[in-house]
Amino acid sequence: DIQMTQSPSSVSASVGDRVTITCRASQDITTWLAWYQQKPGKAPKLLIYGASNLQSGVPSRFSGSGSGTDFTLTISRLQPEDFATYYCQHAHNFPLTFGGGTKVEI
Amino acid sequence: QVQLQQSGPRLVKPSQTLSLTCAISGDSVSTDGNFATWNWIRQSPSRGLEWLGRTYYMSKWFNDYAVSLKSRITISPDTAKNQFSLQLNSVSPEDTALYYCARAQNRAFDLWGQGTVVTVSS
Repeated sequence: DIQMTQSPSSVSASVGDRVTITCRASQDITTWLAWYQQKPGKAPKLLIYGASNLQSGVPSRFSGSGSGTDFTLTISRLQPEDFATYYCQHAHNFPLTFGGGTKVEI
Repeated sequence: QVQLQQSGPRLVKPSQTLSLTCAISGDSVSTDGNFATWNWIRQSPSRGLEWLGRTYYMSKWFNDYAVSLKSRITISPDTAKNQFSLQLNSVSPEDTALYYCARAQNRAFDLWGQGTVVTVSS
């Protein structure tokens, strides 16, 4: 199975900050990577697919980059509603696996 | 508006079978698998988010399952009711989790059910 490692596990930030979250795959997954946002008591919400494609309806302050084994999710200007946990997920082969999550805290 | 609505018991005894159903509205379980697949995912503090398996249609029905569960899991479509279901046999307390159904497009989960907390306990 491909292992997905996220860092940091948590980050403290303020409204207006630029936040960067990293995800590393244990092997080359080209651009088969998705990012999700999850708030307490809610299902994850798809933000980015194909490493850099913004899901419809997701604000443009979210962006994704990377290929191969190293990927980044960037929130350009943190908004109050962005405080949540973020997960990466590879889609290269089966089983699909998720990273351990990064909690963005105030 | 496409929605997934989960149903099923929230308490299952050890060694018994966990059964959940995901009803689809606004899409079809028979949608070509090149465009959508139908998945089950669970989440627990110990395991995080864990993909369990999927079903999809491409001229016939296919399934893929997590290897760790392959001997215990069945995901099956019900075209008459436009839904799909999860059966997990011989459950133990380790199967206690929040279970989600989800649609995948391009192997990314773009639509999720509301989630069902299932507890395995006698």
